[in-house]
Amino acid sequence: GQQLNQSPQSMFIQEGEDVSMNCTSSSIFNTWLWYKQDPGEGPVLLIALYKAGELTSNGRLTAQFGITRKDSFLNISASIPSDVGIYFCAGQGSGGSNYKLTFGKGTLLTVNP
Amino acid sequence: GAGVSQSPSNKVTEKGKDVELRCDPISGHTALYWYRQSLGQGLEFLIYFQGNSAPDKSGLPSDRFSAERTGGSVSTLTIQRTQQEDSAVYLCASTHLGGKLFFGSGTQLSVL
Repeated sequence: GQQLNQSPQSMFIQEGEDVSMNCTSSSIFNTWLWYKQDPGEGPVLLIALYKAGELTSNGRLTAQFGITRKDSFLNISASIPSDVGIYFCAGQGSGGSNYKLTFGKGTLLTVNP
Repeated sequence: GAGVSQSPSNKVTEKGKDVELRCDPISGHTALYWYRQSLGQGLEFLIYFQGNSAPDKSGLPSDRFSAERTGGSVSTLTIQRTQQEDSAVYLCASTHLGGKLFFGSGTQLSVL
């Protein structure tokens, strides 16, 4: 089946530092998505990418859809304590399924104030 | 309601018992997903409902798992004869016409 390899598994950073995480896949996806999950909550969509090579920003977040359509990265600039949580990448629209999302295992981000 | 509502938020059960988990999607959303999140793992697709179409059950891990969606709205995920490996957070999400997915807060299931 499809698998997404997300790295790193966890990060411990100081407030104000920049963060980068990425996902790679053995399959091509039509859409890449990045979610954040706070404790006890469901994931919330941060950024959606729809086109190979697309670079999209949302405040301090920047994400890119890889040219090969098999990878994506997420950058967070000038981290703050509320950035703490689990970040998931997800690919959508592969293998004939336009609706099924395949998720990475997540990156646990801890920000020390 | 304003968001996807799941109940119960926590469920502790004994091995071998059956459990039912409920999801109330956002009103008007035609598509509904169930995902399972085990500790330290990503979200594992279980089942997808879209309108009146036959559901995609390809992610259900065994025949002990089943789900239904009544009247195109509320969905129930049933796990029969629960096993310890079924312990996880079960997340429901809904969307409309392939738009953004909205997740509920999940049901934390613990099988003792």
